[in-house]
Amino acid sequence: GEDVEQSLFLSVREGDSSVINCTYTDSSSTYLYWYKQEPGAGLQLLTYIFSNMDMKQDQRLTVLLNKKDKHLSLRIADTQTGDSAIYFCAESLSGYSTLTFGKGTMLLVSP
Amino acid sequence: GAGVSQSPSNKVTEKGKDVELRCDPISGHTALYWYRQSLGQGLEFLIYFQGNSAPDKSGLPSDRFSAERTGGSVSTLTIQRTQQEDSAVYLCASGMNSGPSYEQYFGPGTRLTVT
Repeated sequence: GEDVEQSLFLSVREGDSSVINCTYTDSSSTYLYWYKQEPGAGLQLLTYIFSNMDMKQDQRLTVLLNKKDKHLSLRIADTQTGDSAIYFCAESLSGYSTLTFGKGTMLLVSP
Repeated sequence: GAGVSQSPSNKVTEKGKDVELRCDPISGHTALYWYRQSLGQGLEFLIYFQGNSAPDKSGLPSDRFSAERTGGSVSTLTIQRTQQEDSAVYLCASGMNSGPSYEQYFGPGTRLTVT
């Protein structure tokens, strides 16, 4: 079955890098996603990576995928207070299938 | 353009009553998903529509839950005889399921409280 695990909380100082980690169990996962949820808001897709990629960079965001260990990470460079939110890792078997989410990591950025 | 909208934004109901939650997807999106977000459970998939049909309804927790989609657009999630454990935020998402874009665009959710 599918299962996605994340640490629940991360606290960093403004300007530091943040690394949020995620592990998944289904080796058939084809797409892995990072979503951001700000208080009282819906989920916003930050980035996604295909399973045949090791890394994807998008401005301040870097996604690393270790398919052997089924480990996904999201690095946010120069973290800002506006990055404070809950970050969800999600997997799917194909681009149009349903998503299986982790329970989310709350990122708190202090000035 | 308009994003995914959901109504109502908040719903308080008494145990045993039926509720209907509405989702208006982004125009032209063929895929529509319902998820439930509750404390301690995270985000759970409920049902997936492609057009008006539901090829995957495996996440519906009981037969008190049903959903329909008409005209390939608006969807309604109905919960009959609500229970306190149904209290959660119900999220709807829509997507195109084509090309390189596999994004699911989420609405703001409906917060359901069963008293």
